[in-house]
Amino acid sequence: DGGITQSPKYLFRKEGQNVTLSCEQNLNHDAMYWYRQDPGQGLRLIYYSQIVNDFQKGDIAEGYSVSREKKESFPLTVTSAQKNPTAFYLCASSIAPGLAGQETQYFGPGTRLLVL
Amino acid sequence: SQQGEEDPQALSIQEGENATMNCSYKTSINNLQWYRQNSGRGLVHLILIRSNEREKHSGRLRVTLDTSKKSSSLLITASRAADTASYFCATDGSSNTGKLIFGQGTTLQVKP
Repeated sequence: DGGITQSPKYLFRKEGQNVTLSCEQNLNHDAMYWYRQDPGQGLRLIYYSQIVNDFQKGDIAEGYSVSREKKESFPLTVTSAQKNPTAFYLCASSIAPGLAGQETQYFGPGTRLLVL
Repeated sequence: SQQGEEDPQALSIQEGENATMNCSYKTSINNLQWYRQNSGRGLVHLILIRSNEREKHSGRLRVTLDTSKKSSSLLITASRAADTASYFCATDGSSNTGKLIFGQGTTLQVKP
């Protein structure tokens, strides 16, 4: 089955710890995105990548880092600098950024991060 | 920044009734999309409407777009209990980066 997978489903972080959320897609999509969702809120963009080996900050990048070494993978690291990391994290992909007719984003099932 | 604002924040209706959700945005757009999210799950794309379109249909969904008022509405006809979910509008802010700006969402409850 083609799609986007995120792991783990739940993740617990201790104070001062960095944690990495996994996002993998087998849709052959060029673009990938990371969003944060707080309870009862919409999605806010953390980072996005339009192509392999390139990524840009979104609206709330502070305390987060990403890499895009492979087309299929876009891991997100929540660093200790992120003081309020408890949230639901969603990864998405799209075929080609800015290409007319290909604007739809496809989402993974999400990872819920909790702080111990 | 949140471009889309949705109204109402929550909506509760009986099965068989119609549900209407509204979205307002601030800047010019190339297109506007509606997504659905079941509780604790990822988002699923429902429908996309382009800036030069005024209305679009997909099954029981009807979307309208008024670019002069910078607003859109999503109508779900003959609602079912399975339509219970949160619904989000998303705009591209006229960018060609693929970035989307999401609204706060409307939580719909359809009572059987």
